[in-house]
Amino acid sequence: AQKITQTQPGMFVQEKEAVTLDCTYDTSDPSYGLFWYKQPSSGEMIFLIYQGSYDQQNATEGRYSLNFQKARKSANLVISASQLGDSAMYFCAMREENNDMRFGAGTRLTVKP
Amino acid sequence: EPEVTQTPSHQVTQMGQEVILRCVPISNHLYFYWYRQILGQKVEFLVSFYNNEISEKSEIFDDQFSVERPDGSNFTLKIRSTKLEDSAMYFCASREDSRHQPQHFGDGTRLSIL
Repeated sequence: AQKITQTQPGMFVQEKEAVTLDCTYDTSDPSYGLFWYKQPSSGEMIFLIYQGSYDQQNATEGRYSLNFQKARKSANLVISASQLGDSAMYFCAMREENNDMRFGAGTRLTVKP
Repeated sequence: EPEVTQTPSHQVTQMGQEVILRCVPISNHLYFYWYRQILGQKVEFLVSFYNNEISEKSEIFDDQFSVERPDGSNFTLKIRSTKLEDSAMYFCASREDSRHQPQHFGDGTRLSIL
């Protein structure tokens, strides 16, 4: 069964605008971690942000923030003030207590000038 | 900043041959991983390795695959009797002991099976 779901295969955003990339997950573990990675066209996987299941506050890292809604099992990535260099694939991932990291299908973000 | 290094960056091999993909994880990391990404698709977990043994493997990681940490620095993925569908980008990753830490990825090896 799919544990990480990213429902948006592609997203467009105007430069300098904010964009939200959706991620929902499925787990029965009380302890888990949620991660977002960026994969530009050059192919490397770049870690962006982490949210632990017990964290009380939403994670933030520069222009990235994670909108963590535990009851809804969602961990959406918000990118503020989009830049052209933000155009890339974005993968949501989860690590459970007894399972190593699994990735969603990804969302391709295109920032328009 | 320390990084995960993978060699070669691109490997072209005839179908049926064996390939070994090499990785040097970050030195103080204890968990090591291999992932596969077929062109344009999602990143798929293959195997995790901890304390000199496999800790978890996916259904993709069958008898065709094996991993080894032959010395204190290298971590290798061997693929025997390669098939056309093994063509993909293979990523190595490593992380520290804490479960809160992210996995750091290498730049990948693009494997092309002819």
